[in-house]
Amino acid sequence: DAGVIQSPRHEVTEMGQEVTLRCKPISGHDYLFWYRQTMMRGLELLIYFNNNVPIDDSGMPEDRFSAKMPNASFSTLKIQPSEPRDSAVYFCASSPHLTSGGQQETQYFGPGTRLLVL
Amino acid sequence: GQNIDQPTEMTATEGAIVQINCTYQTSGFNGLFWYQQHAGEAPTFLSYNVLDGLEEKGRFSSFLSRSKGYSYLLLKELQMKDSASYLCAVRDPGGSYIPTFGRGTSLIVHP
Repeated sequence: DAGVIQSPRHEVTEMGQEVTLRCKPISGHDYLFWYRQTMMRGLELLIYFNNNVPIDDSGMPEDRFSAKMPNASFSTLKIQPSEPRDSAVYFCASSPHLTSGGQQETQYFGPGTRLLVL
Repeated sequence: GQNIDQPTEMTATEGAIVQINCTYQTSGFNGLFWYQQHAGEAPTFLSYNVLDGLEEKGRFSSFLSRSKGYSYLLLKELQMKDSASYLCAVRDPGGSYIPTFGRGTSLIVHP
């Protein structure tokens, strides 16, 4: 398996521009997560999906952020308009289950997208 | 809510043993994960503890005490490639079983 795939790996944009980050989870995984990582705040959960349905988006910082999962193999995280404070590494992760116990519930992270908003 | 604490940075010598601590305060508990993250890379799974005690996996071991809200990751025979950030993550059933991550401990191994 190729693992979780994210694109682009790096993105540099100017303030006010729209940014779209893409993710392909591991086939067969029911859960998909979007995280943001910064030095100041660490790894923060933004939103997660179960079987393509958004379950909890309470971590999404503002209305400028939106995420979709149109099918089991693709998800996007969009920032519009982007701001310099959005600069961070954005990780997508997937997981087969979320039931109690068991190593198989670990999350598998993609390589991340490094976003720099100037 | 959840509160997870780890030291920000640690240094150690190649060949030595280092213990990275993690304390947590959560309303519920359903497992603790340790992840390793090399600079510029994604976190990768190291260990999982849900019962008290020590789990050993080669040079790495992880310990859990649920009553104390405490875990540690023990790295033996340190190698230069062990220089990385180590993330503690706690799963709380009250949080829909989604792990919450600590801010990570940056470990620097020097010759």
